[in-house]
Amino acid sequence: DTAVSQTPKYLVTQMGNDKSIKCEQNLGHDTMYWYKQDSKKFLKIMFSYNNKELIINETVPNRFSPKSPDKAHLNLHINSLELGDSAVYFCASSPRLAGASLDAEQFFGPGTRLTVL
Amino acid sequence: AQRVTQPEKLLSVFKGAPVELKCNYSYSGSPELFWYVQYSRQRLQLLLRHISRESIKGFTADLNKGETSFHLKKPFAQEEDSAMYYCALSGGAGGTSYGKLTFGQGTILTVHP
Repeated sequence: DTAVSQTPKYLVTQMGNDKSIKCEQNLGHDTMYWYKQDSKKFLKIMFSYNNKELIINETVPNRFSPKSPDKAHLNLHINSLELGDSAVYFCASSPRLAGASLDAEQFFGPGTRLTVL
Repeated sequence: AQRVTQPEKLLSVFKGAPVELKCNYSYSGSPELFWYVQYSRQRLQLLLRHISRESIKGFTADLNKGETSFHLKKPFAQEEDSAMYYCALSGGAGGTSYGKLTFGQGTILTVHP
């Protein structure tokens, strides 16, 4: 009965490879997000999708490409991985856009720890 | 642009002592403020939001627009409060940051027995 799930939980790969992280939510939410948490625990939004439409794209290199096949899924594909991509990536969802109402709580997945060697 | 600052990376207190986690923000419109918490080996979750004016697990936070602050307080800390705490801001409708949640750097709270 997990609300927001991510796979894999851990991902170790070589520089230059292409990898994907999957996210699924079973809460019936309209909006999904990807965040990056760096080694200093700083959490920064990368993308936001609302009803499968890209809403937020925060100056992220175009090696990162989110894909939302339906409202319940938001996958993150990363091409040509670099050392600096090593981080924990969190997926989240909310009933509606944060700020769209006074009550748009975000629900987070467990995170995917990506290590690029 | 919106910005959230948590000046303390680490905060240690003893059980039963009062605790205050500081949060200051910068935003030109009417922001919505939140506190999120991440306990060890658990996912990030919402602790409280300013519009609810509620107390969760003994924690309260008051939005002070004059000082642009949203400090988190608890009069008597418990060991189970030890966690990472993030202050977050969301821009309201019509603003340039609509739909975007900006987090502070986080404060690791450790409550000693």
